[in-house]
Amino acid sequence: SQKIEQNSEALNIQEGKTATLTCNYTNYSPAYLQWYRQDPGRGPVFLLLIRENEKEKRKERLKVTFDTTLKQSLFHITASQPADSATYLCALDVSGNTPLVFGKGTRLSVIA
Amino acid sequence: EPEVTQTPSHQVTQMGQEVILRCVPISNHLYFYWYRQILGQKVEFLVSFYNNEISEKSEIFDDQFSVERPDGSNFTLKIRSTKLEDSAMYFCASSELRAREAFFGQGTRLTVV
Repeated sequence: SQKIEQNSEALNIQEGKTATLTCNYTNYSPAYLQWYRQDPGRGPVFLLLIRENEKEKRKERLKVTFDTTLKQSLFHITASQPADSATYLCALDVSGNTPLVFGKGTRLSVIA
Repeated sequence: EPEVTQTPSHQVTQMGQEVILRCVPISNHLYFYWYRQILGQKVEFLVSFYNNEISEKSEIFDDQFSVERPDGSNFTLKIRSTKLEDSAMYFCASSELRAREAFFGQGTRLTVV
């Protein structure tokens, strides 16, 4: 069956460190992979999109990698801050013509 | 910055009643979506809408659900006869093109009692 797994439900890190979140998928061949941030009681907010032919994408302190052989994406936040504390969602777009399928998310807590 | 707006933010309804959730997508966007999120669970796709018709729907989107774009700006989700298990956050989203980032509204928390 098709699955999207985000490595852990919760991740705690010290302020200033790099947070690394993992998204693994099985039985999908996504054309695109997206990362969103969700704060409690709010809607997801788009962060980054990476295409299947791209290995890496960066935006300010954020970096996403996409390994279609390993069927994995890594999401990094460098120099993390308490304001980065939120749930981060991985989402797949299978063909570029299908709706997003979301993982359950990883709740990141950055401790000052 | 343009945003997707949803009303109401919270709706409480009795089981069996009809509810209409409203959304105003970003004005130049062409694709519209409804997702839901049951408390503590993942965001789940319900339906997508393009060119004034449903382009895709999930198994969740059964006959009790319907969507409409009654005018040039609003996009609504109707649940005909609500059940307890329909209690969830309902998110509207829109995107400019098909394979692009989706912009989500703040959600409507639906509580069926």
